[in-house]
Amino acid sequence: NAGVTQTPKFQVLKTGQSMTLQCAQDMNHNSMYWYRQDPGMGLRLIYYSASEGTTDKGEVPNGYNVSRLNKREFSLRLESAAPSQTSVYFCASSAGRSGTEAFFGQGTRLTVV
Amino acid sequence: KNEVEQSPQNLTAQEGEFITINCSYSVGISALHWLQQHPGGGIVSLFMLSSGKKKHGRLIATINIQEKHSSLHITASHPRDSAVYICAVRRGGGADGLTFGKGTHLIIQP
Repeated sequence: NAGVTQTPKFQVLKTGQSMTLQCAQDMNHNSMYWYRQDPGMGLRLIYYSASEGTTDKGEVPNGYNVSRLNKREFSLRLESAAPSQTSVYFCASSAGRSGTEAFFGQGTRLTVV
Repeated sequence: KNEVEQSPQNLTAQEGEFITINCSYSVGISALHWLQQHPGGGIVSLFMLSSGKKKHGRLIATINIQEKHSSLHITASHPRDSAVYICAVRRGGGADGLTFGKGTHLIIQP
């Protein structure tokens, strides 16, 4: 019963490097989300995908791109990492837009030096 | 002003005490979520509410839609309840994603 699986769990990047955070869910959910969590702030929505083949910007999309590869997988890409992107990233999924429970991955702790 | 405000930010209590964490929001919502996050760990959904009250074990969540307020109660608190509790709302009107409060850091001392 995996739920939402994120990889990697930890990553250190140098400024300017690129990387992709992977997320997969096995609950046949339509909606998937990427959030970031910073000290002293609530989680903030980066991008979301309401269904396979669609993606939309959230509150803080700058510096990120996403791909909804199929119904299971939703990846987040940093093309040129910056120290401001040091954060903990969470992937989440839900069956639909409203009235449904949210399930979260274990998080990816990213440090950009 | 944040759209979702939680109080208190930090709470330390003794084992066995009754705990209340409050959440106020300023936008129309379709649902409110209570989440739990242990140190260094992932986020777990505790409740999703759109009206009334829900209970699961020692946890109780209530919501008053008219007053735009929700509370999370823990009865007979235990050190394993120590965690960050996060209130999040899903806005009404078809908006996607959740808007989060900053969390309440709860420590239960033996």
